[in-house]
Amino acid sequence: EPEVTQTPSHQVTQMGQEVILRCVPISNHLYFYWYRQILGQKVEFLVSFYNNEISEKSEIFDDQFSVERPDGSNFTLKIRSTKLEDSAMYFCASSRDRGSYEQYFGPGTRLTVT
Amino acid sequence: RKEVEQDPGPFNVPEGATVAFNCTYSNSASQSFFWYRQDCRKEPKLLMSVYSSGNEDGRFTAQLNRASQYISLLIRDSKLSDSATYLCVVNTYNTDKLIFGTGTRLQVFP
Repeated sequence: EPEVTQTPSHQVTQMGQEVILRCVPISNHLYFYWYRQILGQKVEFLVSFYNNEISEKSEIFDDQFSVERPDGSNFTLKIRSTKLEDSAMYFCASSRDRGSYEQYFGPGTRLTVT
Repeated sequence: RKEVEQDPGPFNVPEGATVAFNCTYSNSASQSFFWYRQDCRKEPKLLMSVYSSGNEDGRFTAQLNRASQYISLLIRDSKLSDSATYLCVVNTYNTDKLIFGTGTRLQVFP
């Protein structure tokens, strides 16, 4: 069964550093997403991406965040200058079509900012 | 008012029991509904989509009441492996994002 994969599983970084989180969506899916979950809180939408551009973003997704599909398989989330409050699980998801369709999540990257 | 509300639980039930979770959503423009399960520190895994007519998948039955903006999940014959947090998830018309509830924790004991 096809799966979304993410690397690394855990990333520790110092405040102010840049991090890149990587995802490989399911191969025949067209929509890609990033969500985050701060420990003990609910899963929150960050951004959706379709046809090589951002389709929708939340108020959390400010100028320090960016997404890219650098090649035919990878989908990345970059945080330019990390803050302590960026510490969270970051989940990548993909779907065949936009949000009303079933979204499948990767195992997540745990980001710890110190 | 929260967009998606769930009783956080925990629901502690013995193996073999039937348990039901409820969820309400605030936006009447919501169009797609899902139940996901999440194990501790893992990703949300799609359990089932919820259709207007109600739907069943093995021991799991989901119901939707659009008039009351209410979704339910029934688990019959609970197994130890059903222990997890159950997330009620909603998508609104013409948006990409899923809106998650905070989840209901289920603990099945022997």
